[in-house]
Amino acid sequence: AQKVTQAQTEISVVEKEDVTLDCVYETRDTTYYLFWYKQPPSGELVFLIRRNSFDEQNEISGRYSWNFQKSTSSFNFTITASQVVDSAVYFCALRFSGGYNKLIFGAGTRLAVHP
Amino acid sequence: EAGVAQSPRYKIIEKRQSVAFWCNPISGHATLYWYQQILGQGPKLLIQFQNNGVVDDSQLPKDRFSAERLKGVDSTLKIQPAKLEDSAVYLCASSSVLAGPADTQYFGPGTRLTVL
Repeated sequence: AQKVTQAQTEISVVEKEDVTLDCVYETRDTTYYLFWYKQPPSGELVFLIRRNSFDEQNEISGRYSWNFQKSTSSFNFTITASQVVDSAVYFCALRFSGGYNKLIFGAGTRLAVHP
Repeated sequence: EAGVAQSPRYKIIEKRQSVAFWCNPISGHATLYWYQQILGQGPKLLIQFQNNGVVDDSQLPKDRFSAERLKGVDSTLKIQPAKLEDSAVYLCASSSVLAGPADTQYFGPGTRLTVL
């Protein structure tokens, strides 16, 4: 079965703290893609990153970084020096080769960054 | 480049009434998706179109939900009759590659439906 688990329901930090959002996935496919989306209060899902199953290289983009580890089926997301504008719900999603490539989303992690 | 457009943004109806949502995808995107997002949960795919053909509607409650994508561009999602449990945000997304695994979906702002 295909599944994404985001165990952290809510995280609250003070501005400038680093924060890591956890994502664990399950799939029997050898070819799959993992995504992170941000959903601010406005409601629109904003694409952040896509990673394929053959590329375990970590990625850094400004204050954002992603750690993909196939050995533990995890794709964690770290925000360095968090800002109030980072407050949102963050979703991890899995897309696999079967099932018409639909996205399977986790339940999301609500991040609140306080000044 | 304009993003995915959806209307209305908000809708409140009584149970057993009908409602329709509209989506205009990013220009040139062949694949269109409708998702249902219940409060506190991640989005769940309802239906996926490739041009104007249905690719996957396995999770669409077909006794009350219907969707169409005429001419392979705009799409309409309808609920008739609505139930209380249909209260959710309905998100439309589109993508540009032929439903390949590298395809990235871009989402609209959603329609928040409240059924009383």
